[in-house]
Amino acid sequence: GEDVEQSLFLSVREGDSSVINCTYTDSSSTYLYWYKQEPGAGLQLLTYIFSNMDMKQDQRLTVLLNKKDKHLSLRIADTQTGDSAIYFCAESAKAAGNKLTFGGGTRVLVKP
Amino acid sequence: KAGVTQTPRYLIKTRGQQVTLSCSPISGHRSVSWYQQTPGQGLQFLFEYFSETQRNKGNFPGRFSGRQFSNSRSEMNVSTLELGDSALYLCASSPGLADEQFFGPGTRLTVL
Repeated sequence: GEDVEQSLFLSVREGDSSVINCTYTDSSSTYLYWYKQEPGAGLQLLTYIFSNMDMKQDQRLTVLLNKKDKHLSLRIADTQTGDSAIYFCAESAKAAGNKLTFGGGTRVLVKP
Repeated sequence: KAGVTQTPRYLIKTRGQQVTLSCSPISGHRSVSWYQQTPGQGLQFLFEYFSETQRNKGNFPGRFSGRQFSNSRSEMNVSTLELGDSALYLCASSPGLADEQFFGPGTRLTVL
């Protein structure tokens, strides 16, 4: 079955880059997503990448996909205190429609 | 464009009762998915509806059910509530199948 793994916690200094890593097992994954969740809030879609892409950049966010190793990363440049949140990696497969399988989330703490 | 709305935002019930949660998707979106988020199990897929038809169902007991109306609004129902049903229930909408999904703020259900 599908499984998505993430490290639990990341601490970073304001202004530095953050890198959040994710591994997945489903080789039929079609889309890979990054969501952000702030306390008491729902999930905010940050970015997503198709499985036939290696990289996607969107302002301060860079997503790298290594399909061979089933490894996904999210780099946040110039990390700000407002980036403190839980970040979830998720995958979906075309055959599964819109069903998302989520990782456990990485709590990012940005220190001033 | 208004985002995904969920009502109510907070709910307190007692064991054995039943509850109905509502989700209004983004205008023009035809797919609605539901997820349960708990500290222990993380984010788990409940079910997905598209054009009033359930397309996919997660591994939850039959006490959990849902439906979608012709205007794409969706409801989920949990009967015979158990303490373990306490969770944040998130609804996501997307334009169609295998599209990016946008989440609402969630309904926090507490079962006493």
